Amino acid sequence: DIPMTQFPSTLSASVGDRVTITCRANQGIGRWLAWYQQRPGKAPKLLIYDASTLETGVPSRFSGSGSGAEFTLTIDSLQSDDFATYYCQQYNALSTFGQGTRVEVK
Amino acid sequence: DVQLVESGGGLVQPGGSLRLSCAASGFSVSSNYMSWIRQAPGKGLQWVSLIYSGGTTYYSDSVKGRFTISRDDSKNTLYLQMNSLKAEDTALYYCAKGRAVRSWGQGTLVTVSS
Repeated sequence: DIPMTQFPSTLSASVGDRVTITCRANQGIGRWLAWYQQRPGKAPKLLIYDASTLETGVPSRFSGSGSGAEFTLTIDSLQSDDFATYYCQQYNALSTFGQGTRVEVK
Repeated sequence: DVQLVESGGGLVQPGGSLRLSCAASGFSVSSNYMSWIRQAPGKGLQWVSLIYSGGTTYYSDSVKGRFTISRDDSKNTLYLQMNSLKAEDTALYYCAKGRAVRSWGQGTLVTVSS
C-alpha cells in the first residue's frame, strides 16, 4: 500500500485563475500517476495519465507534472466547468487514491 | 464503444453477502486489467480489488479475506463477491477498466445497515 497525500483539500478560486493541486507519495512511484475530475453525481473522468499525458479530448488548460514522489495538476485559466473535485491515483503498486481536492467558487 | 454496467447492489444487514456484477461490452474483460473502486457517500475514491488479464487478483487490506473478485469470460462479466459485510462497506461500487481508468460504469450502491 502506497499512501497518497493530496493537498489542499479545498481550494477557493475564481474564473480565470491558475490553480495547482499537489499529490505526494510516501515512496517513489515513477510516473505512474493519474488525475481525475469528478462532478457531483457522476463517475470520475480521466484527465491526465502517466503523470503528464493529457487524455484525448481534455482541454489543454489542464496539465500534469512530476515524477518520483511529488506531482502537480495545474489548471490554467479556470473555467466555470472546472469547479469540481479532483483526485490523484497512483498505479505503480496496486492502486491508491489521494483524498481529493474540492475546487470551489471564491 | 466501451461500456460497463454494474448491478447487484442493495440493502444488506451487517454480516450479510452480496455479489456485484459488471457486464462489459466493446472489449474483452479477460484481456484487460479490471478493478473495483468504491466511494462512500460524501467521501473520496477507494481502490478495492483488481484482476489482471492472467487471472492474478489483489485486494485492499480493508476487504482482504472477505471479498473475492472474479470474471466469467464467456459472459464478458466481472464480479465482486462480498461476504461478512460491515457498515463501513457502504458505498457506490464502480467497475473500472485499466490502470489509469478511462472507462467507468455508473456504479451500484451497496448499503450495509440493520
